[in-house]
Amino acid sequence: DAGVTQSPTHLIKTRGQQVTLRCSPKSGHDTVSWYQQALGQGPQFIFQYYEEEERQRGNFPDRFSGHQFPNYSSELNVNALLLGDSALYLCASRPRTGVWGYTFGSGTRLTVV
Amino acid sequence: DQQVKQNSPSLSVQEGRISILNCDYTNSMFDYFLWYKKYPAEGPTFLISISSIKDKNEDGRFTVFLNKSAKHLSLHIVPSQPGDSAVYFCAAASTYTGTASKLTFGTGTRLQVTL
Repeated sequence: DAGVTQSPTHLIKTRGQQVTLRCSPKSGHDTVSWYQQALGQGPQFIFQYYEEEERQRGNFPDRFSGHQFPNYSSELNVNALLLGDSALYLCASRPRTGVWGYTFGSGTRLTVV
Repeated sequence: DQQVKQNSPSLSVQEGRISILNCDYTNSMFDYFLWYKKYPAEGPTFLISISSIKDKNEDGRFTVFLNKSAKHLSLHIVPSQPGDSAVYFCAAASTYTGTASKLTFGTGTRLQVTL
């Protein structure tokens, strides 16, 4: 049973560019959350999607946006990249019921130069 | 404002001994707490959780203790094994919103179990 799948695993972008990260949730999971983990820090909540809508959002600027598709997969988009956006981006999924069964992917390592 | 704090960035324990990882929180709305383990190049893996209606939860070698009055929880690993060497994150959530809430993580404690 595949868990949470994220792509790409690594990415290098230039300041000012835009990036799209992708996530396929674990089978049976319909809710997807995104987290940013900077070096030496814990994961920080970006936002959560279910039923194709953003349901909850953390303290991140509008440059960070997302989308959820009918098959529950999700994308995270970041516009106008800054050096400070360099981090590990983690996707987590869970079923709507069984509230706390969060499963994390291995993440996408984004480096902004 | 760091609502979940893990004040020990690292911990070294001998194999077979007890590992105790600590976590403090400030938000009184938190009522569910989780521990995740993270190996390099992997995502966090759920380890154990506890609801605020309990003060202890045990799963094999892992036990989590919750002291609500002190806003403190701890993870005990007994006995510690070399494969337990990883970064451990404490996370907290509030279930009052009625939907699955976001997780607020601490900064992690790197555990090294030595032979």
